[in-house]
Amino acid sequence: AQKITQTQPGMFVQEKEAVTLDCTYDTSDQSYGLFWYKQPSSGEMIFLIYQGSYDEQNATEGRYSLNFQKARKSANLVISASQLGDSAMYFCAMRDISVEYGNKLVFGAGTILRVKS
Amino acid sequence: DAGVTQSPTHLIKTRGQQVTLRCSPKSGHDTVSWYQQALGQGPQFIFQYYEEEERQRGNFPDRFSGHQFPNYSSELNVNALLLGDSALYLCASSSLGALMDYGYTFGSGTRLTVV
Repeated sequence: AQKITQTQPGMFVQEKEAVTLDCTYDTSDQSYGLFWYKQPSSGEMIFLIYQGSYDEQNATEGRYSLNFQKARKSANLVISASQLGDSAMYFCAMRDISVEYGNKLVFGAGTILRVKS
Repeated sequence: DAGVTQSPTHLIKTRGQQVTLRCSPKSGHDTVSWYQQALGQGPQFIFQYYEEEERQRGNFPDRFSGHQFPNYSSELNVNALLLGDSALYLCASSSLGALMDYGYTFGSGTRLTVV
């Protein structure tokens, strides 16, 4: 069974600084996808970044980058130049991309990020 | 281009009652998944619908059932509500046919309170 572990219940970061949110995963599958989502207090899950298990380069999307270390089964999210609007809950999730398993996502428990001015 | 629409946004029900939540997927998406998110926790997969059939199911009792209509919209039904069913219910749409399409789109959810 797939499992996502986020060990940081909460994090603080000073505005304009970088922050790393940790994520480790467990799977016996060779083919999988890793996601990071942001959930503000409104409840909507906002897609941030995706990393496929066969992608050789770390994914980047604007201020977001994913530090993918396959051998260690970690997929940490790095947010550069933090902004006050980055304050939210962040979830790491995994998807099995083989057709027969569909598009189910397995989520971690999340990390609350607070950006200080 | 409309994203995922969920209704209602908030709902209060009494223990033992039944509830129906609704979801309209993003245009072009044919698969709808439902997730339950208890307060302070990550979302838990309930089930997924594709071609009007339940394709995958998480560890939820039979009190949780669903339906997908020909226009790809979906309903989540919960019978005999328990206090523990209080949660944010999220709907996510995607395209099953596109293996590398990682563009899940989530709705803003329905916050269900059972009293």
